[in-house]
Amino acid sequence: ETGVTQSPTHLIKTRGQQVTLRCSSQSGHNTVSWYQQALGQGPQFIFQYYREEENGRGNFPPRFSGLQFPNYSSELNVNALELDDSALYLCASSSDPLSTGTDTQYFGPGTRLTVL
Amino acid sequence: GNSVTQMEGPVTLSEEAFLTINCTYTATGYPSLFWYVQYPGEGLQLLLKATKADDKGSNKGFEATYRKETTSFHLEKGSVQVSDSAVYFCALSARGAQKLVFGQGTRLTINP
Repeated sequence: ETGVTQSPTHLIKTRGQQVTLRCSSQSGHNTVSWYQQALGQGPQFIFQYYREEENGRGNFPPRFSGLQFPNYSSELNVNALELDDSALYLCASSSDPLSTGTDTQYFGPGTRLTVL
Repeated sequence: GNSVTQMEGPVTLSEEAFLTINCTYTATGYPSLFWYVQYPGEGLQLLLKATKADDKGSNKGFEATYRKETTSFHLEKGSVQVSDSAVYFCALSARGAQKLVFGQGTRLTINP
């Protein structure tokens, strides 16, 4: 069984640029969630994708957008990068939305984004 | 809204000491509760979980009991090892919600 993978591992961008981060979900999972983890903080929920549709969003501006593909892999896009976007971006997959609150999200290793 | 509060770190212990990391939560209804661990330079790994009141989650010698009356989910281990050094996150998942809500994390360092 293949776990959650993310690419790239590290990324350096300058303010105002755009970035795309990628995530492959664990085998058998159809739901992908994205989180932002600032240095020294707990992860914050950005949004979730279920069967290629956005299925919940946290308190992040519209310049954070995403996609999910038929194979359930996903992309996180961030436009007009700001210095505060520097963080570890984590992708998590699960087998269905957390509507029952009993499912578990499995995390990838993350992408470290630095905005200069 | 839903929230999780963890004891402030960092926590430093000697090998074989007893560990407790406190976690309390605020949520409507009956959330599921989780402990995740993050080793340096890595993502989050699920350590244990509990989905209803009085459930005990356990893994790798770590335990936590879902206490609804005190809205707590404290993490314990009887004898810590140097390899347990990491950051530990308590989290909840409320029914009907899509997201995990995390505490701020507790950095644990075990000295030999």
